[in-house]
Amino acid sequence: DAKTTQPPSMDCAEGRAANLPCNHSTISGNEYVYWYRQIHSQGPQYIIHGLKNNETNEMASLIITEDRKSSTLILPHATLRDTAVYYCIVRVSNAGNMLTFGGGTRLMVKP
Amino acid sequence: GAGVSQTPSNKVTEKGKYVELRCDPISGHTALYWYRQSLGQGPEFLIYFQGTGAADDSGLPNDRFFAVRPEGSVSTLKIQRTERGDSAVYLCASSIHPQSNEQFFGPGTRLTVL
Repeated sequence: DAKTTQPPSMDCAEGRAANLPCNHSTISGNEYVYWYRQIHSQGPQYIIHGLKNNETNEMASLIITEDRKSSTLILPHATLRDTAVYYCIVRVSNAGNMLTFGGGTRLMVKP
Repeated sequence: GAGVSQTPSNKVTEKGKYVELRCDPISGHTALYWYRQSLGQGPEFLIYFQGTGAADDSGLPNDRFFAVRPEGSVSTLKIQRTERGDSAVYLCASSIHPQSNEQFFGPGTRLTVL
């Protein structure tokens, strides 16, 4: 699976949008972009995934650049409960394979 | 509904001892994964089961580590002759089938080897 690069940490004010970037310049055509987050002392939690179109669900939006070399996860109105480590992962969707986690971005939402 | 559960939540053992860590996946989930997470790092893959068989055990660090899933549901991760470097949080995840986009993680077992 392709490697991803994320900033190690970010801050965001409560109520504002949190925009978390991810670079995946070596992504292959059949690899999807997945986002998981891990709140302190819990297991990771799936957020969203996409191939090339922008995606939105009840938790977040995923914006993927046209060349697919980078993406941004957007939490539209961050709350204190969104404080977590956010992992960007690229993975072939239809393969029964594991998730390869990098270091992630530690997002701190501040009052 | 019930999520993935793992027992024990914490395990403290002495170097050289044998330990077993248990994972109860979500009912009906055919795929089961074990990961290990060291402090300050992302989870690292250990082994993946499809049904009763280990479909990929390429992440197991050495032959002291072994996992089973005899009936295709509960899985046990077994570590022999534990070393201090085995100390980590061991995470289990399940998905309804291998091609599923979402893996559901348990809370993990924190293993401390003294």
